[in-house]
This record gives sequence, C-alpha cells and structure tokens, in this order.
Amino acid sequence: DAKTTQPPSMDCAEGRAANLPCNHSTISGNEYVYWYRQIHSQGPQYIIHGLKNNETNEMASLIITEDRKSSTLILPHATLRDTAVYYCLPGFYGNKLVFGAGTILRVKS
Amino acid sequence: GAGVSQSPSNKVTEKGKDVELRCDPISGHTALYWYRQRLGQGLEFLIYFQGNSAPDKSGLPSDRFSAERTGESVSTLTIQRTQQEDSAVYLCASSLRQDANYGYTFGSGTRLTVV
Repeated sequence: DAKTTQPPSMDCAEGRAANLPCNHSTISGNEYVYWYRQIHSQGPQYIIHGLKNNETNEMASLIITEDRKSSTLILPHATLRDTAVYYCLPGFYGNKLVFGAGTILRVKS
Repeated sequence: GAGVSQSPSNKVTEKGKDVELRCDPISGHTALYWYRQRLGQGLEFLIYFQGNSAPDKSGLPSDRFSAERTGESVSTLTIQRTQQEDSAVYLCASSLRQDANYGYTFGSGTRLTVV
C-alpha cells in the first residue's frame, strides 16, 4: 500500500475554501485516491475519490497532480460542521483501506 | 436498511468475559470490513469479507479475536477473554464492490469498555 503524508492539523475561516494536501508519492498506477472524514464521535464518512482526473461532487473537489504523487481536497465554502479529521487513502478499489493519522481541520468563525 | 447498523452501541464488560459485536451491512453490499479505533487514535484494520472469498484476517491482533459473516449479510465480531486494551470503538463498514461512486459506508460503531 502507498504511504501518505498529510499535515497533522490546519485551520480555516468559516466561509473560506479549505485546501487539504496529501502526498502519496509511492502510489501505483491503478490505485485510487480516496478521501474520508471523521467528525467527532462518529464513524468515518466517504467524501470523494479519483484515479487520474479531477473530480467534483456535492461535498468537495479533488485535484490530482498529473504525476499522481499528490492530491488536494477542496471544501469550497467551509462551515463549522466541516471540523473533522480528514483522511487521504490510496487504495485499490474493493480492497481494504488503510487509514493513517489524517489532518485535523478546524473551521473557525 | 438505509445504512450500516451496529449493535450494541455501547457495551461494558468485565475483564475475561467474551463479547459479541454485530454488524448489519447495507443490503446487497458484498464487502464488509471491521476496524478498531482506540481513544484518540486512528482506525486500525481488523478483518475484511468479500463475497464468498476467504476473509482477509491479517489485521486481527490476536487469536482472541474472530469474525464470521453468513453470505452477504450479518457479521459478528467475537472477542474472547477480553482485556482492558480491547477497549475501543469497533467500526463496521460495507461497500458495493461494483459501485465506484460511494466507497465505504460506516456504521456508528460499538463502544466497548472493558473494566
């Protein structure tokens, strides 16, 4: 499994875009990049995933570099409810996902 | 049901007792996963079931831990002779393997406290 590096914590002002980086330089060609988040005392929640192309859904956008060695999750207008631990996980679709330490995002008013 | 259901939501047990945790996945989801999360720590993979294939048990921490799944339905995680270090939230997730859009859906977990 590819190793990931994420900053341990980040702050973001409410209403601003939150940009969460992830380095996954050892990712293999057919591994997806998944993003999950875990709000306090809840189970993790799927956000988005991608392989090569940038992706967007109702929650977030995922920007993957052309060499696929890093990606950025973008929450376009962060709210206080987006305060959570955000996990970047490379993995093969259908195989188990290995969760690292993630990034604690604190959205502040 | 609409989501992954886990029971009980909370369990307090005495050291040395056996406990059984239950997970009801989303109907039709072929893959089911168990994770453990100790207080203030990340998720630790335990075991993975995919259809009728042999489960991936590589994350089970000791032979006191076992899990079963009948077909593509309910799974039970059993911890025998519980120890205080087993105290954690046990999370179950399921996924529809052919569906590339939604990833895993997690349940709310069972909080196990061994006293």
